[in-house]
Amino acid sequence: DPKIIQKPKYLVAVTGSEKILICEQYLGHNAMYWYRQSAKKPLEFMFSYSYQKLMDNQTASSRFQPQSSKKNHLDLQITALKPDDSATYFCASSQDWQYNNQAPLFGEGTRLSVL
Amino acid sequence: AQSVTQPDARVTVSEGASLQLRCKYSYSGTPYLFWYVQYPRQGLQLLLKYYSGDPVVQGVNGFEAEFSKSNSSFHLRKASVHWSDSAVYFCVLSAPSSFSKLVFGQGTSLSVVP
Repeated sequence: DPKIIQKPKYLVAVTGSEKILICEQYLGHNAMYWYRQSAKKPLEFMFSYSYQKLMDNQTASSRFQPQSSKKNHLDLQITALKPDDSATYFCASSQDWQYNNQAPLFGEGTRLSVL
Repeated sequence: AQSVTQPDARVTVSEGASLQLRCKYSYSGTPYLFWYVQYPRQGLQLLLKYYSGDPVVQGVNGFEAEFSKSNSSFHLRKASVHWSDSAVYFCVLSAPSSFSKLVFGQGTSLSVVP
C-alpha cells in the first residue's frame, strides 16, 4: 500500500485556470516536499516544509502556493496555469527536515497537462 | 553551485550482463549521495544512499555504488541484470548544509534486452 498518496494521478487543465494537487503521507514524517519533473529537465526541488512551516522555497513564481492543513498533508495550489506548468509533480517526505540519515520517500506523482 | 551529471541518457544491456551507470557530481565538500529508480508509471524508489564511511554501499536488489571523492563520482553497479531492472535511474546529491534540497541528475534510462 502506498504510504504517500497523491491525488489525482492525472490532471488536465486549461490555461489560466487554477488547480490543487493533493498529498498525504501516512509515515509519521515531520517534513514534506514538492518536486517537479518537466520534460527534458531534471527533477527540480520546489518547497520543503517541516512541522507545517515553510523551510525552503526554490520556486520563483508566486503562482505556486503550498498549503498544509495538517501535519501529514501538503497540497500544492497552482493559479493562472500556463502550458509550461505541464509536468509531473512529486510529493516526498522524510522523518525530519534535516534528514537524520533518512532519504526522502516519494509518492507516485500527479501528471499535469495544461492546454 | 551543486550539480549532478549522468553522461549516459540511455543504456542498453543484455540480461545477465553486468551494469555500470555513471554519475559525476560537483560540490566543494563531501555530499550525501543517493540513487533512486523510477519504474514505468511509478514514483521514485530509493536504491541506496551514501553518507560517510565505506565508499562502497550496498542497496536493494543487488545494486551497489562506489563513492570516489578524488573523481567526484558515485557510479552504480550490478553484477547481473534482469529484465525487471529496466527503468530510469537517478543519481542525486544533497549538500549537508542544505538537507532539504535534493539535486537530481538528468537520469539514465536502462533497457535490459533478452
